[in-house]
Amino acid sequence: EAGVAQSPRYKIIEKRQSVAFWCNPISGHATLYWYQQILGQGPKLLIQFQNNGVVDDSQLPKDRFSAERLKGVDSTLKIQPAKLEDSAVYLCASSPLKGPRGGELFFGEGSRLTVL
Amino acid sequence: QQQVKQSPQSLIVQKGGISIINCAYENTAFDYFPWYQQFPGKGPALLIAIRPDVSEKKEGRFTISFNKSAKQFSLHIMDSQPGDSATYFCAARIMDTGRRALTFGSGTRLQVQP
Repeated sequence: EAGVAQSPRYKIIEKRQSVAFWCNPISGHATLYWYQQILGQGPKLLIQFQNNGVVDDSQLPKDRFSAERLKGVDSTLKIQPAKLEDSAVYLCASSPLKGPRGGELFFGEGSRLTVL
Repeated sequence: QQQVKQSPQSLIVQKGGISIINCAYENTAFDYFPWYQQFPGKGPALLIAIRPDVSEKKEGRFTISFNKSAKQFSLHIMDSQPGDSATYFCAARIMDTGRRALTFGSGTRLQVQP
């Protein structure tokens, strides 16, 4: 079974520039999450989708961050304009709704963003 | 209310020793407590999980102890091995209107010395 795919793995940008990250979840997983992991900290939820609807975006800085999940499969996370404090690893995770592993989060390897 | 507090921040254990990582939470609505393991450059991966109706769960060398009254849970790694060197995160989840997102602790960096 293929895991959660993310790209790019690394991105370096200047502050005030924009960046986009892409995530392809495990096939059949209805729920998709984007987490932000700042160096030395635990992952922090940015947004949760179920199919193509938003379940929770309460911690998403909506003035600069946006995310979408077209057709309930792939997802993109965009930052515009980036700030220095956005330097972090952006983790995508997916989860099946039901079954023996229902609710378990499967993470991708992350996209590391450096803002200069 | 949503926080999960984890300690210690880092831990050094000799090979064959016991590694113990602790977490505490405030929100009694949490109903699922997993531990995730993360190696450098990789995403976190589920190690073991427990629900509040059980006080202990063991899988191989890994054991979760859960104290509902104290709102604390801990991970014990028996016979720690150098391959266990990684960052460990406790987490908790609330079943609230379908939200299943995990709230993570700050992480413990474990180093097992040969």
